Amino acid sequence: DQQVKQNSPSLSVQEGRISILNCDYTNSMFDYFLWYKKYPAEGPTFLISISSIKDKNEDGRFTVFLNKSAKHLSLHIVPSQPGDSAVYFCAADSGGGADGLTFGKGTHLIIQP
Amino acid sequence: NAGVTQTPKFRVLKTGQSMTLLCAQDMNHEYMYWYRQDPGMGLRLIHYSVGEGTTAKGEVPDGYNVSRLKKQNFLLGLESAAPSQTSVYFCASREFYEQYFGPGTRLTVT
Repeated sequence: DQQVKQNSPSLSVQEGRISILNCDYTNSMFDYFLWYKKYPAEGPTFLISISSIKDKNEDGRFTVFLNKSAKHLSLHIVPSQPGDSAVYFCAADSGGGADGLTFGKGTHLIIQP
Repeated sequence: NAGVTQTPKFRVLKTGQSMTLLCAQDMNHEYMYWYRQDPGMGLRLIHYSVGEGTTAKGEVPDGYNVSRLKKQNFLLGLESAAPSQTSVYFCASREFYEQYFGPGTRLTVT
């Protein structure tokens, strides 16, 4: 049973436009959410995170929105750039989570020139 | 400051062979993790450690063993490799909620 779901395996966006990546979760115990970016043949790198006590966190071109009632979060990238082409993983943590992150399957974002 | 490093980067094993993957971190983090990533899947937790001398099972521990004899190192062992263990293996260490990942080890079992 998948606790973190990214239902779009891929997403194509034109350069300069907004990219919106979505993530749903089922476990109410999750209290912290993270987005990771992954290029081929590299490890995931941390992008942005949000605590469950907030509904928005912004860092430059990246904004994460959290809707707790819907158990949904989204990552907005504005404006999208060619270097943003990568696989994006949504991950969730619970209770100070020593026992690792729960990851979604990832969304492959392709930025078209 | 190298962060998290993994050795080796690539390996091909025959079914039944054994090997050890080494993870090292220089950030003095207490928590370390081993994940595997398969095509179309997210990262799945194999084992983790909350400090030197401790280990615990994650979501997919079968067929793997781990050891954390030194704080900076976390070893993942395959005693008898199977084709189902063909995967990319990532090690991570953690500070607060954020996990820092190594570059990965691509393992093929034939």
